[in-house]
Amino acid sequence: DAGVTQSPTHLIKTRGQQVTLRCSPKSGHDTVSWYQQALGQGPQFIFQYYEEEERQRGNFPDRFSGHQFPNYSSELNVNALLLGDSALYLCASSLQGRSYEQYFGPGTRLTVT
Amino acid sequence: KQEVTQIPAALSVPEGENLVLNCSFTDSAIYNLQWFRQDPGKGLTSLLLIQSSQREQTSGRLNASLDKSSGRSTLYIAASQPGDSATYLCAVVDSNYQLIWGAGTKLIIKP
Repeated sequence: DAGVTQSPTHLIKTRGQQVTLRCSPKSGHDTVSWYQQALGQGPQFIFQYYEEEERQRGNFPDRFSGHQFPNYSSELNVNALLLGDSALYLCASSLQGRSYEQYFGPGTRLTVT
Repeated sequence: KQEVTQIPAALSVPEGENLVLNCSFTDSAIYNLQWFRQDPGKGLTSLLLIQSSQREQTSGRLNASLDKSSGRSTLYIAASQPGDSATYLCAVVDSNYQLIWGAGTKLIIKP
């Protein structure tokens, strides 16, 4: 049984560019949440997707957007990248209504230069 | 607004010692509290989950306690080993079912 997978593992982008990160949830899970973790900090909640819709959102600008596909996989898109967007981006999956039991992927390390 | 604080930010102890990591939160209206482990550059591994109605949970050499009224949790690690070296994060699930995280304690166990 595959756990949560994320791609790519590492990514280097230039300021102003756009990036797309991908996540496949744990088998049987239907809800995907995205987090940003800056170096030396705890993760910060970006948003959560269920039934292909954004259900909750943290305090992140509209440059951060997402999508969930019918197979429950998800993408995180960041436009107009800033240096401050450099972080580890974590995806977590869960069952709807059981967001208190999330399973995390290994993350994507994004570096913006 | 829920805030989670972890003290100390870093800890270095000799192998074999027992140790305690601390986590505090400002709003006692939580659904549960979780302790996670994060190895450098890696994702998060859930260690223990304590429901709001529980006082403690144990897994092997790990024991986590929860005092909701005082807004505190501790993670006790017995007989520490070099393989325990990692960053330990505490997170609470708030009334919006969101995980609110502390910044973590970086633990180094010296052989």
